[in-house]
Amino acid sequence: GAVVSQHPSRVICKSGTSVKIECRSLDFQATTMFWYRQFPKQSLMLMATSNEGSKATYEQGVEKDKFLINHASLTLSTLTVTSAHPEDSSFYICSAIGLAGGYQETQYFGPGTRLLVL
Amino acid sequence: KQEVTQIPAALSVPEGENLVLNCSFTDSAIYNLQWFRQDPGKGLTSLLLIQSSQREQTSGRLNASLDKSSGRSTLYIAASQPGDSATYLCAVPPGGATNKLIFGTGTLLAVQP
Repeated sequence: GAVVSQHPSRVICKSGTSVKIECRSLDFQATTMFWYRQFPKQSLMLMATSNEGSKATYEQGVEKDKFLINHASLTLSTLTVTSAHPEDSSFYICSAIGLAGGYQETQYFGPGTRLLVL
Repeated sequence: KQEVTQIPAALSVPEGENLVLNCSFTDSAIYNLQWFRQDPGKGLTSLLLIQSSQREQTSGRLNASLDKSSGRSTLYIAASQPGDSATYLCAVPPGGATNKLIFGTGTLLAVQP
């Protein structure tokens, strides 16, 4: 149990376009999802906290208009990188926490999405 | 502001050796501490979660200890195997009872066959 998926696994896009990344909890309901980015050989940096039915909470220094987050249901959160530029190229990882079946406090991570902006 | 550091940054050991990975955090008022494993280009797998009231947790060949007062945790891997090769990350909440996580800098482990 406790599987989190991400789609797509990798995406290449042209500078100026927008890219949407999906994060799904497959076998549990996730009231909270987190979005992280990871640069090569660096650790994960929390970007924002996504709560179902409410606006996302962004960490300091993260542009909310640049990285749009929508948590439309208890199993799906999306991250849209708007007007992507090469410096947005990174590995984006989501995680989810549920409040049923003993999942509380443990974050389950998706496999990540590799974004390359040309 | 919570800061998490891991040493060493990289470690290479021969198969079968026991090893210890270290994690230090600056704010000892943590709710819990987690150890994760990340394979190259992949997401994270949770290995062990230690609550603030606990001193250690064990899972198979893995044993994690927590010393809140000194701001340290260790991950002990017994009888290492090539399949243990990965990056190991520790993570703590930034402060108080929150599900957010602040990640350490990671230790890249290579177990040589």
